[in-house]
Amino acid sequence: GAGVSQTPSNKVTEKGKYVELRCDPISGHTALYWYRQSLGQGPEFLIYFQGTGAADDSGLPNDRFFAVRPEGSVSTLKIQRTERGDSAVYLCASSLRGGGEYNEQFFGPGTRLTVL
Amino acid sequence: LAKTTQPISMDSYEGQEVNITCSHNNIATNDYITWYQQFPSQGPRFIIQGYKTKVTNEVASLFIPADRKSSTLSLPRVSLSDTAVYYCLVGDRGSQGNLIFGKGTKLSVKP
Repeated sequence: GAGVSQTPSNKVTEKGKYVELRCDPISGHTALYWYRQSLGQGPEFLIYFQGTGAADDSGLPNDRFFAVRPEGSVSTLKIQRTERGDSAVYLCASSLRGGGEYNEQFFGPGTRLTVL
Repeated sequence: LAKTTQPISMDSYEGQEVNITCSHNNIATNDYITWYQQFPSQGPRFIIQGYKTKVTNEVASLFIPADRKSSTLSLPRVSLSDTAVYYCLVGDRGSQGNLIFGKGTKLSVKP
């Protein structure tokens, strides 16, 4: 079946602009995660949704970052007033359910964000 | 969460067996050891998970000694397509599951 998809695959923007990154999880997966990966580093956790609600947003670096998942499927990561330091690959993952017995996370290909 | 230490990089040749060792001296009783693989321009992919002794699947084997302070991911007869970054993660299987990645081990397989 279809895996996790992310759009756009690449996004170039200018410093100070607003961007939205979209994630389509695997159908039926209730848990959705956002990570950010800088060059040469492992992915860094940003936020986790269980259904429509953000169960853990402790990884969001500041209040310029916000994510929503209004219907419990598609999620959008929103970044206001982008800064050059926001440049990274933003990864989305989903799993059948969060918590409890281990649930393998399935990752999308990521969105490469470049802030000029 | 237990911190993990693994080599930054490793080189191998096609057909060889590759063993990547991860140290996790502060592993807790409830922690499992999980390995993910990441190819360039792709998201990480789950490879294998274990708690103790040995686990084997169609992709790899995971060896965990009795003290569980380290683990070894074994890839049999690697090919060029196994060139990737391999991440060792340690965490409570019952937690919410946001994964804590280190820098991983960059494996380069040469012909």
